[in-house]
This record gives sequence, C-alpha cells and structure tokens, in this order.
Amino acid sequence: GQNIDQPTEMTATEGAIVQINCTYQTSGFNGLFWYQQHAGEAPTFLSYNVLDGLEEKGRFSSFLSRSKGYSYLLLKELQMKDSASYLCAVRVESTLTFGKGTMLLVSP
Amino acid sequence: DVKVTQSSRYLVKRTGEKVFLECVQDMDHENMFWYRQDPGLGLRLIYFSYDVKMKEKGDIPEGYSVSREKKERFSLILESASTNQTSMYLCASSHTVSGANVLTFGAGSRLTVL
Repeated sequence: GQNIDQPTEMTATEGAIVQINCTYQTSGFNGLFWYQQHAGEAPTFLSYNVLDGLEEKGRFSSFLSRSKGYSYLLLKELQMKDSASYLCAVRVESTLTFGKGTMLLVSP
Repeated sequence: DVKVTQSSRYLVKRTGEKVFLECVQDMDHENMFWYRQDPGLGLRLIYFSYDVKMKEKGDIPEGYSVSREKKERFSLILESASTNQTSMYLCASSHTVSGANVLTFGAGSRLTVL
C-alpha cells in the first residue's frame, strides 16, 4: 500500500517563512509533486521533484530526499493569498497518490 | 492552457438513481483520471484511462464505472447512487511540463445523494 503523511493544519504570519513536510512510504517512486488548492477550487500544480535536492520557483521551493522518503515545500514571504491547502503527491508507476493535504492559514 | 471541463458543478440525486459525470479536455491528452475528494481523506483515485476504450481501476473503483468512447471525453458513472457517494468529484488529464507528468484538474462536480 501507499502511505503519505503531512500535517493537517499549519498557521503562519504574513511575510514569514513556512515549511510543510511530507513523508512517504510507497511501493515505487517516479516523482513527488506539490499542488495548491484554494477553498472551493481545483488543485493546481506547484512543483515537481524526481531527484534529490532543492527545486526553487520564485517564493516557493521544494526539497526531496528519496533515501529518507521525505519532502518539504518552503513558502517564503508569505502572503494572505497563500492561505490554501497544500497537497503532497507521489507518482507510483503512472498514477498519483495524494496525501490528505495541509491546510495553511496565513494571518496578518 | 489545458482546459478540463466538468459539465455539472453541483448535482443532487436520490439513492438508487443512475448518475453521469462528464469531463472533457481540449488538449488531445492520452491520460484522464477521476478522483473523489472528501474531508479528512484527501483525493482518492477512482478510475483512469490511457486511451480510448481503455480503463484501469484506481484505489476505490467499487460502485463506479467509466466510459471513454472519444479521446477528449471521460465519463464517470454511478450505476445506483448511494449516500456514501456524496462527495466532490474531480476529473483530470495529464501532460508533460519540464519532464514532469502533470495533472490538470477540472473545477469539480459536487454530488449530493439524498
């Protein structure tokens, strides 16, 4: 079976930095994805890691350690609009298995 | 931009009714997927399809079937709706972005079964 764990909720302050962790135990691994989902909307693609290390894309960065089964999403210079659910997903063969998501609340 | 369109945003059905959820993508993608999303359970894969007339079971296929008669259209069918199928249903198609096979989701269909 597949198991993907991430915290249920996090809170942070506008302008701060927040790190959302994800650990996984899966039967295979073809890449790790992060999606953002605002309330009432569809998930949208944020980042992808298939090799160990850090991928940076503007205010968002994602890190992967395959040996540890661990990833994190780092959000810098937080804005109110970053309040959303962040979904970690692992590709096993040709399908994506999602974690339950981390609800991030950014306060002024 | 890839566009994935789900025909119904909100539906209310009665127990035992047959329900069709339609999904159309406009980018000639091979792969299409149906997920359901429930609070505390996250996104779970119901069925997916690699090509016309091809279908594969996901993690929770029981109580559902699918149809892919044309490449752009992937339908989810609830043969006899039950209350535990009340959920948000998300359709997606996949394409490659910088080497990553990325899912693009439709806006979702919120189904309530009474």
